[in-house]
Amino acid sequence: GAVVSQHPSRVICKSGTSVKIECRSLDFQATTMFWYRQFPKQSLMLMATSNEGSKATYEQGVEKDKFLINHASLTLSTLTVTSAHPEDSSFYICSASPGRGHEQFFGPGTRLTVL
Amino acid sequence: DAKTTQPNSMESNEEEPVHLPCNHSTISGTDYIHWYRQLPSQGPEYVIHGLTSNVNNRMASLAIAEDRKSSTLILHRATLRDAAVYYCILLSNDYKLSFGAGTTVTVRA
Repeated sequence: GAVVSQHPSRVICKSGTSVKIECRSLDFQATTMFWYRQFPKQSLMLMATSNEGSKATYEQGVEKDKFLINHASLTLSTLTVTSAHPEDSSFYICSASPGRGHEQFFGPGTRLTVL
Repeated sequence: DAKTTQPNSMESNEEEPVHLPCNHSTISGTDYIHWYRQLPSQGPEYVIHGLTSNVNNRMASLAIAEDRKSSTLILHRATLRDAAVYYCILLSNDYKLSFGAGTTVTVRA
């Protein structure tokens, strides 16, 4: 199947700093990518839809100024957690699809720990 | 969003089949039925999807009821590597996946 990578896989940062997470589709182009967050023992929660060349659309309750999304190319989307706080500590996962109607391929996830 | 209902957990013995049920009584005519699974500390993995007809692939089979209000994921011979949380999700026109609690599958050696 298609491959989606994320970088970094794990990051620890101090409270108040910003952290950038990259999501890349390695062998296909994706006009749309999705960002999820998963807290321990919970299911994935969709945060936002990243659209290549246009603004991301955020789910209700997700602060767009805190979670900045940039989808600059058909193979790369980035999620920046600005002014991170301990409550932002979570497992962040991205997904991408080769096209509408196709299955989604997920990245391996990024474990963020804010001290 | 159309919702799905799955059992919280299911146990199986290695080499035996596993039948994972999913109810989706409010499914609309254009919703696809998708199944994903997630191992601990990993991103979800696509398993299978279908619309109306039963589907088979190298990982599993998907049996869809005639009225489409329920479906069953079938793992033909469970292995220890199949232990995961399995999510049944309806994919609508907005192509967003809404994850529920899923079914935690345990495989006994």
